[in-house]
Amino acid sequence: GAGVSQSPSNKVTEKGKDVELRCDPISGHTALYWYRQSLGQGLEFLIYFQGNSAPDKSGLPSDRFSAERTGGSVSTLTIQRTQQEDSAVYLCASNPTGGTNVLTFGAGSRLTVL
Amino acid sequence: QKEVEQDPGPLSVPEGAIVSLNCTYSNSAFQYFMWYRQYSRKGPELLMYTYSSGNKEDGRFTAQVDKSSKYISLFIRDSQPSDSATYLCAQGTGANNLFFGTGTRLTVIP
Repeated sequence: GAGVSQSPSNKVTEKGKDVELRCDPISGHTALYWYRQSLGQGLEFLIYFQGNSAPDKSGLPSDRFSAERTGGSVSTLTIQRTQQEDSAVYLCASNPTGGTNVLTFGAGSRLTVL
Repeated sequence: QKEVEQDPGPLSVPEGAIVSLNCTYSNSAFQYFMWYRQYSRKGPELLMYTYSSGNKEDGRFTAQVDKSSKYISLFIRDSQPSDSATYLCAQGTGANNLFFGTGTRLTVIP
């Protein structure tokens, strides 16, 4: 696609429910990143994919968070048993190879946990 | 201590003013410095990218890195209402290792 697409754009869920957030990177981009943006916290790195592998998942805050990528394209970030502190904007970014520093971000998925 | 510190603002200026946005960083080993611009309800977009120290100019925008004081600066000349956005500084060794500031929200008043 022309840009990085994320869905849903907004998600409101109840505490304890599981959520899935989807990212469709720019076609041909092998590197994909998930970040979290909380109010007053800036962008927080979560996980990095090169192809379908995740060589760096050091930013995942707990074992309730997981992510996968299939076909070297679409990625899904799953948050199990959501907590109120998970409320944030989850941003996905991609770049052609991971060898450059330029990230193209999607518009994000805004998650609100009630 | 955060890797990159940024004054969150908000900052309001009249149209045509010169805007100065600043960040400080703590890790001198990181050589890549970036500024991203983020409009409301949108993802960040890369505005400026510099390696090591010095200035880089692109139109009305100038990015500056001062390694002696560990300052990252973005200057916007002849600011326009369309420049109203949140500006994020970032520093790192690569896309896998980038540290972002919290962002400064800028409003340019017509």
